[in-house]
Amino acid sequence: RKEVEQDPGPFNVPEGATVAFNCTYSNSASQSFFWYRQDCRKEPKLLMSVYSSGNEDGRFTAQLNRASQYISLLIRDSKLSDSATYLCVVNTYTGGFKTIFGAGTRLFVKA
Amino acid sequence: DTAVSQTPKYLVTQMGNDKSIKCEQNLGHDTMYWYKQDSKKFLKIMFSYNNKELIINETVPNRFSPKSPDKAHLNLHINSLELGDSAVYFCASSPSGEAAEQYFGPGTRLTVT
Repeated sequence: RKEVEQDPGPFNVPEGATVAFNCTYSNSASQSFFWYRQDCRKEPKLLMSVYSSGNEDGRFTAQLNRASQYISLLIRDSKLSDSATYLCVVNTYTGGFKTIFGAGTRLFVKA
Repeated sequence: DTAVSQTPKYLVTQMGNDKSIKCEQNLGHDTMYWYKQDSKKFLKIMFSYNNKELIINETVPNRFSPKSPDKAHLNLHINSLELGDSAVYFCASSPSGEAAEQYFGPGTRLTVT
């Protein structure tokens, strides 16, 4: 089993749609969680951290369920500019913090 | 103004050669990383340094040797390049701490022919 698994993509949605991405992680000792965004041929950039209480940033909502080892990202009112690859990221302490990236889910938002 | 910079941006070389990629960050971060992103776009950590000391060394061939001359620099030297080394290599930095955001450089696209 992969340490971090994400929905296989790609997701093709129209502008204005709501889209949800799921992610599961295998190490119950994992301690911090993030969603990153990567545009084509660019570097990954932090979209948002994920907290146990859930958190929202504008049209983006992230949820964490530690019991199920599950992370989600909800994007409301999709924009063309949301088209990118979304990476689920998990930090686990193993003598130092090891960062594991999921394989990413590709999103295409179309007019 | 670039926070994390890498040179070169593109590197084309032949099998068997030795090459280096340089990384510098001007954010004052304590921790720096090297990642490899292969053709399937999977991003995998290779090394992590904190205050010039190696913390994480994933299962990477010993042909890859990171060097951190100071806290702001983490260079990657690769000996005897192989076809399978072709990938995009990203450098990143972050403040210390588990919840710290990582800032990535623009990447170095390495092609081994």
